[in-house]
Amino acid sequence: GENVEQHPSTLSVQEGDSAVIKCTYSDSASNYFPWYKQELGKRPQLIIDIRSNVGEKKDQRIAVTLNKTAKHFSLHITETQPEDSAVYFCAAGRNNNDMRFGAGTRLTVKP
Amino acid sequence: DTEVTQTPKHLVMGMTNKKSLKCEQHMGHRAMYWYKQKAKKPPELMFVYSYEKLSINESVPSRFSPECPNSSLLNLHLHALQPEDSALYLCASSQEVGTGLSHYGYTFGSGTRLTVV
Repeated sequence: GENVEQHPSTLSVQEGDSAVIKCTYSDSASNYFPWYKQELGKRPQLIIDIRSNVGEKKDQRIAVTLNKTAKHFSLHITETQPEDSAVYFCAAGRNNNDMRFGAGTRLTVKP
Repeated sequence: DTEVTQTPKHLVMGMTNKKSLKCEQHMGHRAMYWYKQKAKKPPELMFVYSYEKLSINESVPSRFSPECPNSSLLNLHLHALQPEDSALYLCASSQEVGTGLSHYGYTFGSGTRLTVV
């Protein structure tokens, strides 16, 4: 089955700086890579996703890159704001029957 | 309606109790899921329902029993739980489970925080 590793486990940045979170996956057949944001005590929310036929996707201050050869993908947040503080989970799978989450990254943006 | 609604929000139960968690969505999604999340851990998949049929059971103990009465409702029946089953139980839905050509992200509910005493 799929195994997803996520780094770092905690990340602290100054407001306005960029934040990068990296994930690796084991199953070369995985072709869908969503990212979820979970604020303290709240539900995970899908913030961006990428499919294996695309190398990069951007949505305002958030971007995701995918390297299929190396089996890793990354979340990039630019111009970070305090409200970006949350736990971010990456996930990988072929479909939602085998979606596996990374361990999570706790991002703290200091004002 | 773009939400997944879970009830109750909090539940405390004894090890001999029987209780049920409920989940509802009215987005027309045909796939629904139960996830278990322990503190500071990622969500772990328990069950997948696709078109009201159980398609995945991730080796979950029989003290957890899922039920999908219709396309909008998903229940999780609990019986004889152990203290280690205490966790946040998240329901999620997606348009479909997805295939190699199409993929759908989850809409999660707010969860039921379960404490087994």
